[in-house]
Amino acid sequence: KNEVEQSPQNLTAQEGEFITINCSYSVGISALHWLQQHPGGGIVSLFMLSSGKKKHGRLIATINIQEKHSSLHITASHPRDSAVYICAVRGWSGNQFYFGTGTSLTVIP
Amino acid sequence: DTGVSQNPRHKITKRGQNVTFRCDPISEHNRLYWYRQTLGQGPEFLTYFQNEAQLEKSRLLSDRFSAERPKGSFSTLEIQRTEQGDSAMYLCASSLGYRTGANNEQFFGPGTRLTVL
Repeated sequence: KNEVEQSPQNLTAQEGEFITINCSYSVGISALHWLQQHPGGGIVSLFMLSSGKKKHGRLIATINIQEKHSSLHITASHPRDSAVYICAVRGWSGNQFYFGTGTSLTVIP
Repeated sequence: DTGVSQNPRHKITKRGQNVTFRCDPISEHNRLYWYRQTLGQGPEFLTYFQNEAQLEKSRLLSDRFSAERPKGSFSTLEIQRTEQGDSAMYLCASSLGYRTGANNEQFFGPGTRLTVL
């Protein structure tokens, strides 16, 4: 069983829809990251959070430490949001990172 | 461009050959990470440097793999006697970090895609 589970694995949405990607983890963490990976392979860090909620433009990330769950929301989705979104957690024990397998998002115009 | 850079971007090699990848982190970042990503999977942690010291290695890093960061700046990842299973994207990331466990955001390079024939 992976330390980090994401759902859904694949998601297709119409432009303008509100999107939610979920991440659950089973290890104790010091921080959780949401990453965006485009088809060329480049990874961009979207958020790093250890509690509560963060917002950047149309993106919102929340985390519930007690439930070991995080969500990434995209409001007013756009085709340029099409990418793989990866959840990663940093364990307490050191600098070990555990990654989810990613959610592939396609936003259709 | 002051981001993380990796070279080469693509490498095709025959099974049994040695390959070496280079990562140049953001200049003021003292932490450097190597990850491997296979198709359809998330990245897997390989190893981590704080300055020139290699502080952590995953069990995924077999004895055919070696990483160095001799001057605490750029890093190299060498794979000896490559196998077809080594085919993957090798990602490098860097971050600031002044004490163990500090939560510092990682910045990723574009990756080196290795294909072993």
